Amino acid sequence: GAGVSQSPRYKVAKRGQDVALRCDPISGHVSLFWYQQALGQGPEFLTYFQNEAQLDKSGLPSDRFFAERPEGSVSTLKIQRTQQEDSAVYLCASSLSGSAYEQYFGPGTRLTVT
Amino acid sequence: SQELEQSPQSLIVQEGKNLTINCTSSKTLYGLYWYKQKYGEGLIFLMMLQKGGEEKSHEKITAKLDEKKQQSSLHITASQPSHAGIYLCGADISSSNTGKLIFGQGTTLQVKP
Repeated sequence: GAGVSQSPRYKVAKRGQDVALRCDPISGHVSLFWYQQALGQGPEFLTYFQNEAQLDKSGLPSDRFFAERPEGSVSTLKIQRTQQEDSAVYLCASSLSGSAYEQYFGPGTRLTVT
Repeated sequence: SQELEQSPQSLIVQEGKNLTINCTSSKTLYGLYWYKQKYGEGLIFLMMLQKGGEEKSHEKITAKLDEKKQQSSLHITASQPSHAGIYLCGADISSSNTGKLIFGQGTTLQVKP
């Protein structure tokens, strides 16, 4: 079946622009996660949804970062007034529910802020 | 994350050789995941371990979680060039089992033909 998909795959933004990154999880997956991966590092947790409820947003680096999943399926990560330090790969993952089940990742969106 | 240490950071092996990658935490690991990543791509799920002493194998890759659930190892037997990539361990260290993962820094594996 279809895996986790993300769009766009690559995004170049000028400093100060707003960006929106999309994640389509595996159908039926309740849990959805966003991670940020800097070059040469492991992914860092940003936020977590269970269905449409955002249960943990402790990893969001600033109030410029906002995520939503209004209907409990597709999720959007929005970054307002992008800064150079926002340049990274943004990964989305989904699982049936919690850590009792496999967590599958999408291909990521590589964001470059110039 | 410093809460999860991977070793070694990089590894170069001759094709056909065996190798082991370790992942260590000072906290209990409620779920331990192994992933493989190629440069510029997403994470490919390899295996998930949850129970102390658990061991799983897929093709030539075996992963174990120790009895104390604080260390995991990934062992590749008779390595092939297709095994090359970055291996990441991710762990849920929260007893609430949300699936929120912390990751090690990764181990870069090169396999020389």
